[in-house]
Amino acid sequence: DIVMTQSPDSLAVSLGERATINCKSSQSVLHSSNNKNYLAWYQQKPGQPPKLLIYWASTRESGVPDRFSGSGSGTDFTLTISSLQAEDVAVYYCQEYYSTPRITFGGGTKVEIK
Amino acid sequence: DVQLVESGGGLVQPGGSLRLSCAASGFTFSSYSMDWVRQAPGKGLEWISYISSSGSTIDYADSVKGRFTISRDNAQNSLYLQLNSLRAEDTAVYYCARDKNPTVLDYWGQGTLVTVSS
Repeated sequence: DIVMTQSPDSLAVSLGERATINCKSSQSVLHSSNNKNYLAWYQQKPGQPPKLLIYWASTRESGVPDRFSGSGSGTDFTLTISSLQAEDVAVYYCQEYYSTPRITFGGGTKVEIK
Repeated sequence: DVQLVESGGGLVQPGGSLRLSCAASGFTFSSYSMDWVRQAPGKGLEWISYISSSGSTIDYADSVKGRFTISRDNAQNSLYLQLNSLRAEDTAVYYCARDKNPTVLDYWGQGTLVTVSS
């Protein structure tokens, strides 16, 4: 099974500053058949279900603000919030779907306001 | 609007059973694969089961295989999860989610809480 490791576990960022979350997979999630990275990011606010932000490592879901961006390839990925807003306080999860339909989530990164 | 509404959670004793339901609306249910994901209190997300749009392909996480059964009724726009031989470690909020094939989950329900305790 693919293991997804996120870092840091939590971070505090000032409003308007950049937040960077890392996700590392135990094996490559880059599929040679289509040259796509099978990696998604979700945001979960307190008391709410997760919300899909990004898939194929860098494709924003419809309606997601462009301050959210994803990057990386193979085993190392990053979610960046370019200018943190108060409403971005949440836990963020990466998820691989290389082993689809089986999927694995990272442990989550909690983002707070400094 | 896409809506997924789970029901059926509750308090059950170890070894007991529950049947969770997920009512879908706002999209062509029979065209989408569906998944169940759970979240233990204060913990992260754990995928537990998948069912294809027709129901012909099913998969489970090792942690629930042989105890949980996923099914669907496309005529009723409903997804189900039968939970048997429940253990304390199955205590969690159970979410149903629409699968934007391949397994990217683009809509989630609000979840239903299952508590396994004596």
